[in-house]
Amino acid sequence: AQSVAQPEDQVKVAEGNPLTVKCTYSVSGNPYLFWYVQYPNRGLQFLLKYITGDNLVKGSYGFEAEFNKSQTSFHLKKPSALVSDSALYFCAVRDQGNNDMRFGAGTRLTVKP
Amino acid sequence: GAGVSQTPSNKVTEKGKYVELRCDPISGHTALYWYRQSLGQGPEFLIYFQGTGAADDSGLPNDRFFAVRPEGSVSTLKIQRTERGDSAVYLCASSTRANTDTQYFGPGTRLTVL
Repeated sequence: AQSVAQPEDQVKVAEGNPLTVKCTYSVSGNPYLFWYVQYPNRGLQFLLKYITGDNLVKGSYGFEAEFNKSQTSFHLKKPSALVSDSALYFCAVRDQGNNDMRFGAGTRLTVKP
Repeated sequence: GAGVSQTPSNKVTEKGKYVELRCDPISGHTALYWYRQSLGQGPEFLIYFQGTGAADDSGLPNDRFFAVRPEGSVSTLKIQRTERGDSAVYLCASSTRANTDTQYFGPGTRLTVL
């Protein structure tokens, strides 16, 4: 079975500061990992994914994430937060060979001016 | 290009009624997924189509839920005898064939069962 945990319901940072949104996962095989962002009354927007290769993945809007196999983590990071980054962020995992994707409960990011 | 579209954007119905939710995937995407997102939670997988066939319907909660994709493009999620607990946002996503590919989501249909 595959599962994802986002241990923080909320993350608050000041504009210009670095941000981290945490994600840990559990799969029986090789993980495919994804980050999505959701703005109010809008669908999920893809940010980045890890399938294989370099552990550091760069995505849209200056976001990046690091795959850490030993810690089973895939934390989302950005060096300098913007107020417009304020949104709901979801981590998701798919076990290799599975069709369904499991999402975490989401982390609400608030960037203060 | 056009993204995934879903209609209606909002649907209010009464307990016991039948509803249909429509999804129009990105052109050329052969894989289509339905998810349900309840308030304060992440999306929950319902069903996956590869082409016209339901390749995995393990996420459908019970036999009141059914989905079709007769021509391998547009899909309809059908809910019979709706219950208040069915109230949620129903999300559709599509991707190219490979399961490593990114799923692109539509804006969702907010279903409210009174």
